[in-house]
Amino acid sequence: AQSVTQPDIHITVSEGASLELRCNYSYGATPYLFWYVQSPGQGLQLLLKYFSGDTLVQGIKGFEAEFKRSQSSFNLRKPSVHWSDAAEYFCAVGTPTNDYKLSFGAGTTVTVRA
Amino acid sequence: NAGVTQTPKFQVLKTGQSMTLQCAQDMNHNSMYWYRQDPGMGLRLIYYSASEGTTDKGEVPNGYNVSRLNKREFSLRLESAAPSQTSVYFCASSDSPSGANVLTFGAGSRLTVL
Repeated sequence: AQSVTQPDIHITVSEGASLELRCNYSYGATPYLFWYVQSPGQGLQLLLKYFSGDTLVQGIKGFEAEFKRSQSSFNLRKPSVHWSDAAEYFCAVGTPTNDYKLSFGAGTTVTVRA
Repeated sequence: NAGVTQTPKFQVLKTGQSMTLQCAQDMNHNSMYWYRQDPGMGLRLIYYSASEGTTDKGEVPNGYNVSRLNKREFSLRLESAAPSQTSVYFCASSDSPSGANVLTFGAGSRLTVL
């Protein structure tokens, strides 16, 4: 079975600074990889996904993520953070088998300071 | 376009009481899911319905039952609520019942069991 680790529980970043959120997965082959964002009091919204091909994927709200097979990682980045990016971010892993279950990481809470 | 609608948004129960969380989607999605979200644990799958007429257990099904009433609606029932079921519950849906599914989430239902 697959698993996901988000090593950082909480990150504080200044507005305008860059942001990188870490995600490591455990799976024998290339999984399907997702980043979701949850704003306070809201449900989760898909930021971006990786299935195959170009390992650098672009998402909504200026986010990007890079798949690195050698490191089993799928880190999320944003060059310049806005106050509205304060939220909780979840990495998720799915597998190309007949398994409908996504595995979610524990989440990283991002605080943006002025 | 409402997407995924969950009711109620908030509920307080006493131990042993029963209740049903309702979920409806208007995207003509085939698959529907119930997750619970607990601090530091990410989202864990309770039950899912790959298609109308089918339901299956997820990671944490104990204490819950589900009904896929039709293609649009998927309800979650707590027969005898326990304090350990205090959580935020999310309903989600997807077009494709596979590991590559992109989930659309509802806004969540916050349940407190006293």
